[in-house]
Amino acid sequence: DAKTTQPNSMESNEEEPVHLPCNHSTISGTDYIHWYRQLPSQGPEYVIHGLTSNVNNRMASLAIAEDRKSSTLILHRATLRDAAVYYCILRDWGRDDKIIFGKGTRLHILP
Amino acid sequence: EAGVVQSPRYKIIEKKQPVAFWCNPISGHNTLYWYRQNLGQGPELLIRYENEEAVDDSQLPKDRFSAERLKGVDSTLKIQPAELGDSAVYLCASSLPGLAGGMNIQYFGAGTRLSVL
Repeated sequence: DAKTTQPNSMESNEEEPVHLPCNHSTISGTDYIHWYRQLPSQGPEYVIHGLTSNVNNRMASLAIAEDRKSSTLILHRATLRDAAVYYCILRDWGRDDKIIFGKGTRLHILP
Repeated sequence: EAGVVQSPRYKIIEKKQPVAFWCNPISGHNTLYWYRQNLGQGPELLIRYENEEAVDDSQLPKDRFSAERLKGVDSTLKIQPAELGDSAVYLCASSLPGLAGGMNIQYFGAGTRLSVL
């Protein structure tokens, strides 16, 4: 499976935008980019996913580079409740359902 | 709508004792997963069910771990006997059938935190 690289941790101030980067230089043409996050003492929760075009939903935006070798999860206005570990994951569109999690990025929100 | 329900939330046992975890997936979700999450790591898949059938159990340590999903709904994961290294969070997830990896979204429960003393 193609791998992703994320910073171990990031900090951001409350009510400011947050840009979480992810590198996936070996991405294949059939890989979707998924983001999950894990709040303290909770299971992971789905955030967003995309293939080639940028995506927006109520939680976040996903910006995908033109060559698809990197992507950025954007939280437009971070709150203390967004403090979590964010996982960037590649998932082949047609293969099995296995999610391979890395260590993710631990996001700290400063009040 | 209720999410994925797991119980218990916490379990403390002594090594060599048996332990069981229970999961009730979201209604209508035919696919069920068990993951294990060690401290500071991301979750790792142990087993995946499609209805009653275990379709991927390649990462399940079969000498001491077992799982079942008899009626294709609830599932139980068992460890017998438990070892110190089994201390971890055990997560259950479910997803709708028929969606391949790229489109498949998994919904996770809060997990069971196991401490083996």
